[in-house]
Amino acid sequence: GAGVSQTPSNKVTEKGKYVELRCDPISGHTALYWYRQSLGQGPEFLIYFQGTGAADDSGLPNDRFFAVRPEGSVSTLKIQRTERGDSAVYLCASSFASHETQYFGPGTRLLVL
Amino acid sequence: AQKVTQAQTEISVVEKEDVTLDCVYETRDTTYYLFWYKQPPSGELVFLIRRNSFDEQNEISGRYSWNFQKSTSSFNFTITASQVVDSAVYFCALSGGMIYNQGGKLIFGQGTELSVKP
Repeated sequence: GAGVSQTPSNKVTEKGKYVELRCDPISGHTALYWYRQSLGQGPEFLIYFQGTGAADDSGLPNDRFFAVRPEGSVSTLKIQRTERGDSAVYLCASSFASHETQYFGPGTRLLVL
Repeated sequence: AQKVTQAQTEISVVEKEDVTLDCVYETRDTTYYLFWYKQPPSGELVFLIRRNSFDEQNEISGRYSWNFQKSTSSFNFTITASQVVDSAVYFCALSGGMIYNQGGKLIFGQGTELSVKP
């Protein structure tokens, strides 16, 4: 079946703008995770959804970051008032259940000018 | 706290050499899971293996093998007879159990960049 998909693949924006990043998980996967990967680093956890609810948002760096998963499938990561430091690759992963293997999407490369 | 350390930042080998990528982890959980992912130049993370803390048997899959030793908190990855296509960044990751990580979020190491030259 289809893997995790993410759109857009690349996003260039100006400092202070609002962006939305979309993740479409593998069908039937109840757990969805967002990570952020800076150049030369390992991915860092942002937020985890079990179904529609955000079960762990401890990795969100500040209140400019927010994510939703209203129907328990597609998720959107929203970043307000973007800053240059937000530039990174944003990765989405899904798994059949928590603690199961996470399968990653291709990521969205965000560049804030 | 949970932590994963991959001390080798970069490794360069010549094709057909064997290479071992080291991974050391820290956790207070008694039940946890360890993973290896491959990130080729295309950027997408590819799952290689998942191992739970109660299964210390070594595993072999083709040219890949993994050595899990709880006594030293290590989960090392060996590629036998390396090939140019093995060139990538390899990440070791830890997912905790019920105490410190109820959701299964992955804690990644910094990654080891493997370069296999022809």
